[in-house]
Amino acid sequence: RKEVEQDPGPFNVPEGATVAFNCTYSNSASQSFFWYRQDCRKEPKLLMSVYSSGNEDGRFTAQLNRASQYISLLIRDSKLSDSATYLCVVNFFNDYKLSFGAGTTVTVRA
Amino acid sequence: DAGVIQSPRHEVTEMGQEVTLRCKPISGHDYLFWYRQTMMRGLELLIYFNNNVPIDDSGMPEDRFSAKMPNASFSTLKIQPSEPRDSAVYFCASRTGENEKLFFGSGTQLSVL
Repeated sequence: RKEVEQDPGPFNVPEGATVAFNCTYSNSASQSFFWYRQDCRKEPKLLMSVYSSGNEDGRFTAQLNRASQYISLLIRDSKLSDSATYLCVVNFFNDYKLSFGAGTTVTVRA
Repeated sequence: DAGVIQSPRHEVTEMGQEVTLRCKPISGHDYLFWYRQTMMRGLELLIYFNNNVPIDDSGMPEDRFSAKMPNASFSTLKIQPSEPRDSAVYFCASRTGENEKLFFGSGTQLSVL
């Protein structure tokens, strides 16, 4: 079983739509959670951290469900520029090693 | 501000050749990471350094791979001899000890023929 699992997608949505996807992780003692964004042929960049109480950053909302061991990302009012691969990232042991999921690809069409 | 700088951007080499990838972390960042990304395996951590000292190299695939960090502003990842299965994008990343945000370089696209 992979440590961090994501639905690879792709999620194809029209502009203005809402898209949401989850990520599951294997270790219940995991400490920190993040969403990174990776554009085609580019490096990953931090999109947002995920806090226990859930958090928003503009059109993006992240949620953590420790009981079921998953995190989610919701994108409201999708823009063409939101097209990317979204990587779920978990710090299992509160050390400096991050485990990356394989990514969920989102394509927003005009 | 300069970000993490990697070179070369692209490397094409023949099987059996030595390959050296280079990285300059962001000034003031005391943690440096080498990752490899492939379609099959995604992003994998190879090794990371703290204050120029290798802390965890458990992700290094085999003895053909080695990494050094001779000073706070430079690190290398060497593959000798290279094999076609080493073809991947190699990313270097850095961060401070206090902030969990990881900054990636633009990566080196390695193709071993």
